[in-house]
Amino acid sequence: DAKTTQPPSMDCAEGRAANLPCNHSTISGNEYVYWYRQIHSQGPQYIIHGLKNNETNEMASLIITEDRKSSTLILPHATLRDTAVYYCIVRPRDNDMRFGAGTRLTVKP
Amino acid sequence: EAGVAQSPRYKIIEKRQSVAFWCNPISGHATLYWYQQILGQGPKLLIQFQNNGVVDDSQLPKDRFSAERLKGVDSTLKIQPAKLEDSAVYLCASSRLAGGETQYFGPGTRLLVL
Repeated sequence: DAKTTQPPSMDCAEGRAANLPCNHSTISGNEYVYWYRQIHSQGPQYIIHGLKNNETNEMASLIITEDRKSSTLILPHATLRDTAVYYCIVRPRDNDMRFGAGTRLTVKP
Repeated sequence: EAGVAQSPRYKIIEKRQSVAFWCNPISGHATLYWYQQILGQGPKLLIQFQNNGVVDDSQLPKDRFSAERLKGVDSTLKIQPAKLEDSAVYLCASSRLAGGETQYFGPGTRLLVL
């Protein structure tokens, strides 16, 4: 599976957009980009996933570069409840998930 | 829709004791996963079941860890005997189908081995 690189931590002001980057320069053509987050003392929560095209749902937007070597998760209006560790995972559809250390996002008032 | 249920939420034991964790997946989900999450790290897959069969247990320390999903629904993960380094959160997840599907996680069981 391709490895991902994420910054260990980021801060964001409440109400502003949070842009979380992920590098996956060795991604293969059949590997999807998944994002999960883990709020303190809870299990990971699915956010969004994509293959090539940008994706949007009620939680976030996922922007994947044309060469697919990096992506950005966007939380359009961050709230204090978005404070969590965010994991970027690349995997083929039929493979299990390998979590890295993720990015610890702190949303500040 | 009810989520993934796990019990107990917390457990404290002494080393060399045994412990068991229980997981009930989302109704109708065929695939069940157990993960171990050590403090400060991401979750690590221990074992994956498809219905009542094991799909992947390559990262399960089989000398002390065992898991079963006898009727293809709920599952039990056991550690016997426990070591200090087993202190972690044990997460259960389920997905509708095998592989590739979105996984839904339970709240986890926090184990402390003294």
